[in-house]
Amino acid sequence: RKEVEQDPGPFNVPEGATVAFNCTYSNSASQSFFWYRQDCRKEPKLLMSVYSSGNEDGRFTAQLNRASQYISLLIRDSKLSDSATYLCVVNTGFQKLVFGTGTRLLVSP
Amino acid sequence: GAGVSQSPSNKVTEKGKDVELRCDPISGHTALYWYRQSLGQGLEFLIYFQGNSAPDKSGLPSDRFSAERTGGSVSTLTIQRTQQEDSAVYLCASSLAPSGGRTDTQYFGPGTRLTVL
Repeated sequence: RKEVEQDPGPFNVPEGATVAFNCTYSNSASQSFFWYRQDCRKEPKLLMSVYSSGNEDGRFTAQLNRASQYISLLIRDSKLSDSATYLCVVNTGFQKLVFGTGTRLLVSP
Repeated sequence: GAGVSQSPSNKVTEKGKDVELRCDPISGHTALYWYRQSLGQGLEFLIYFQGNSAPDKSGLPSDRFSAERTGGSVSTLTIQRTQQEDSAVYLCASSLAPSGGRTDTQYFGPGTRLTVL
């Protein structure tokens, strides 16, 4: 079983739609969690950290469920520019980040 | 300010040759990481430096891979006797000094695309 698992997609949604991605992780000792965004042939960039209480940044909302070892990302009012691959990232401890293979999002006009 | 830089951006080499990839982290970042990403795959952790020492080399796939960091700044990843399966994008990231076992935000460079013929 992979340490971090994501649905690869692609998720095809129209502009303005709400879309949610899920991610599960296997290491219950994992300490911190992130969503990164990666555009085609570009490096990953931090989108947001994920806190236990859940957190929101504009149109983006991240949730963490430690009991179920589950992380989610919700994007509201999708824009064309949101098209990218979204990487679920887990810190398993001691500066080691484990990346999921990513979920691809395509937003169409 | 300047971000993480990597060179070369692209490298094509023949099987069996050695290659050196360079990473220049953000000024002041003491932690440096190397990853590789194969086509359609997630990022694979290779090695982590804190200052000039590498507390975690667990991700290096074989003894053909080595890395060093000097002066707490620039790092080089060396692949000896390259094989076709080494073809991938090699990404470097840096972060401020992590503390308490937590990882500070990692900032990635643009990567080096390595192709082994």
